[in-house]
Amino acid sequence: KNQVEQSPQSLIILEGKNCTLQCNYTVSPFSNLRWYKQDTGRGPVSLTIMTFSENTKSNGRYTATLDADTKQSSLHITASQLSDSASYICVVRGVYGNKLVFGAGTILRVKS
Amino acid sequence: ETGVTQTPRHLVMGMTNKKSLKCEQHLGHNAMYWYKQSAKKPLELMFVYNFKEQTENNSVPSRFSPECPNSSHLFLHLHTLQPEDSALYLCASSQLSLIPNQPQHFGDGTRLSIL
Repeated sequence: KNQVEQSPQSLIILEGKNCTLQCNYTVSPFSNLRWYKQDTGRGPVSLTIMTFSENTKSNGRYTATLDADTKQSSLHITASQLSDSASYICVVRGVYGNKLVFGAGTILRVKS
Repeated sequence: ETGVTQTPRHLVMGMTNKKSLKCEQHLGHNAMYWYKQSAKKPLELMFVYNFKEQTENNSVPSRFSPECPNSSHLFLHLHTLQPEDSALYLCASSQLSLIPNQPQHFGDGTRLSIL
């Protein structure tokens, strides 16, 4: 069964600190992996997409990594800000059937 | 401004009521989607439309009835809902559902509560 597991389920960090969110998947063969940010009361917004050949991609203070061999991705947030408080959702697209498989998300709270 | 607008933002209804959720996208996309989001669970894809034709129905109960009159508008008609249907309903759009690298653009959702 194609699955996407995210950890931790929730996380609290102090403003200015770094953090790393994890995404492990079993979807195979794999087409791409996308990270979304969902602010409270809002819809998800795409942060970055990783394809099979990419290992690292940055979007400002957000850096996503991908290890297609171990089927793991991480999202690293540098110098966190209060506005980073949100749910972060990992979504993997399989090749067959072009299906999207969603993780349950990691809820991040940044406090001052 | 997300480009995808959902109304209403909040809806409280009884189990015997009939209501509709509306979604409109201003992005020129040809694919539209309905998702259900429950607390601590992954998003569940409900329906997919491409060029206003339904291309996917993920075994959704018939008490949810989608309608897509054109590529810019999507409705979800609700009737005889159950308490477990309380959730955030998200609409999304993309260029086409079969283009693998295209992101989906989400609306801000309708928070539905069934009494």
